[in-house]
Amino acid sequence: GDSVTQMEGPVTLSEEAFLTINCTYTATGYPSLFWYVQYPGEGLQLLLKATKADDKGSNKGFEATYRKETTSFHLEKGSVQVSDSAVYFCALYTGGGNKLTFGTGTQLKVEL
Amino acid sequence: SQTIHQWPATLVQPVGSPLSLECTVEGTSNPNLYWYRQAAGRGLQLLFYSVGIGQISSEVPQNLSASRPQDRQFILSSKKLLLSDSGFYLCAWSRVGYTEAFFGQGTRLTVV
Repeated sequence: GDSVTQMEGPVTLSEEAFLTINCTYTATGYPSLFWYVQYPGEGLQLLLKATKADDKGSNKGFEATYRKETTSFHLEKGSVQVSDSAVYFCALYTGGGNKLTFGTGTQLKVEL
Repeated sequence: SQTIHQWPATLVQPVGSPLSLECTVEGTSNPNLYWYRQAAGRGLQLLFYSVGIGQISSEVPQNLSASRPQDRQFILSSKKLLLSDSGFYLCAWSRVGYTEAFFGQGTRLTVV
């Protein structure tokens, strides 16, 4: 079945540091890939997405590139801020299952 | 614009008591609807999804059930709660044929 594997957290960084959160997937067919963000005490918000190989999703300084050859969708940001502290979820969608499959989430803590 | 409402925000229930969590979507018709659970320190687990009134698919055998009595209403229920039912429950919706899901603010359930 479909699955998503994320790097374990928590990840603690200093403000303005470079961020990478790894995500790899297993899926039948050609999934769409997503990064969702969950701020403390809230639901999930879509951060960015990519629907086909080599697409790059980007939003709020975050980027992720759909790499079919390595089945990966790593999240990056060049300079994190304290306000980026949250839990980040990688997810995939394949139309046959009609559902999003999520990774376990990676908690990011950004300190001054 | 579309909005999703989920309530209550927090709930403390004794073991063996019943449960009813409600989710409604406004501003769209015939959405796909989802219930997810996020247990402490774990990722998101899809519990149920629905593609139409009265159509419920269960992903994980458990103590919970779901119903969709109206097009934009999705209810999560239990007849007798267990301690292991504690967690953060999230309702979500998506448009048919689209991959992006929109989440409610979540309900934190504590079973004592």
